[in-house]
Amino acid sequence: NAGVMQNPRHLVRRRGQEARLRCSPMKGHSHVYWYRQLPEEGLKFMVYLQKENIIDESGMPKERFSAEFPKEGPSILRIQQVVRGDSAAYFCASSSTELTEQFFGPGTRLTVL
Amino acid sequence: AQRVTQPEKLLSVFKGAPVELKCNYSYSGSPELFWYVQYSRQRLQLLLRHISRESIKGFTADLNKGETSFHLKKPFAQEEDSAMYYCALRFQGAQKLVFGQGTRLTINP
Repeated sequence: NAGVMQNPRHLVRRRGQEARLRCSPMKGHSHVYWYRQLPEEGLKFMVYLQKENIIDESGMPKERFSAEFPKEGPSILRIQQVVRGDSAAYFCASSSTELTEQFFGPGTRLTVL
Repeated sequence: AQRVTQPEKLLSVFKGAPVELKCNYSYSGSPELFWYVQYSRQRLQLLLRHISRESIKGFTADLNKGETSFHLKKPFAQEEDSAMYYCALRFQGAQKLVFGQGTRLTINP
């Protein structure tokens, strides 16, 4: 089991462009979580999804950010019209059920120029 | 609001010395507490959780509800313990984790 996969590992975008971050959960896991880590801060929860459903998006910014976890394929975190303040490390985690251990991916480091 | 505080951003101790990484939380209910560790160039991984009450790599942590603390301790530090440590909380009825800012532990030879 390769663990949680995230790609790309590094992403550079100019202000105003779109960023798409992908997360493939561990085999057999149907619960996905996205966290953001700004420089010098801890991880902050963004959104929790199960297949085809958003369960908790209380940590998502109201504008420009969206997430999905389709029936087939990876979970996608999409940031439209990126700004410099979006520069951060974005981590994905997955779990087999809603209260079991969350396994983390290596993260995607987004840099907005 | 639920909050996790790790007061030390950096902690440096000598090999063989005791280690204590502090974690305090604010939550009025019954929380579930975790310690995660991130070694250099590796992904974040679970070190231990309070409900299991086990010792991993010589580390232990006891939940003190009176002091709302979950400090991580190890009696004799080893060089391979150098890493970033995060305390995290999951409150009742939720799946998301609330993380502290992290403590970078350095073990000096």
